[in-house]
Amino acid sequence: SQQGEEDPQALSIQEGENATMNCSYKTSINNLQWYRQNSGRGLVHLILIRSNEREKHSGRLRVTLDTSKKSSSLLITASRAADTASYFCATDTGNQFYFGTGTSLTVIP
Amino acid sequence: DTGVSQNPRHKITKRGQNVTFRCDPISEHNRLYWYRQTLGQGPEFLTYFQNEAQLEKSRLLSDRFSAERPKGSFSTLEIQRTEQGDSAMYLCASSLRSGTGGNEQFFGPGTRLTVL
Repeated sequence: SQQGEEDPQALSIQEGENATMNCSYKTSINNLQWYRQNSGRGLVHLILIRSNEREKHSGRLRVTLDTSKKSSSLLITASRAADTASYFCATDTGNQFYFGTGTSLTVIP
Repeated sequence: DTGVSQNPRHKITKRGQNVTFRCDPISEHNRLYWYRQTLGQGPEFLTYFQNEAQLEKSRLLSDRFSAERPKGSFSTLEIQRTEQGDSAMYLCASSLRSGTGGNEQFFGPGTRLTVL
């Protein structure tokens, strides 16, 4: 029943490299959000992009949104070991909130 | 008030028993959400409230599940006649919905339910 799917499912990179993960979804949205979840811990909101926006930046994070393709990407630049976590996209349709299946990111020191 | 809190953090119960979880949102937040998360999956939306009104329920929410937010503050999620398939982490989140707000959600630590 999940609307979003992240790609890749798992990603392993060296510290300092950039990490890119993608999200595809199925229906029209009001906005799309990215969250991080560390192993065994709660979800933390990272960034929100509205349906009329195409790109947004926050620190080392860059998010793009292509509503015609129903897809979004999250870029983490200059990765750190502390970025190791699962990353989820979440779509807000106005009435419901759908999380994707997640990308597990491992940053090797 | 430093965030969303949930109680209990862990609950072990026998199949067929009823369980109730509580969520205390961030005090000024008018929206409250319940999700269920199983290992290796993203959270699945169950229901949400705006103030005390329950505005949406997922088809995942069977008749055995009921949620309330009687005074528009804390919320409870009850599962009746629990089944082993109900074993999961139950997450609560809250947000402040404004006219142009983006609905950023703040999550609690979750209640882990194990049904034996």
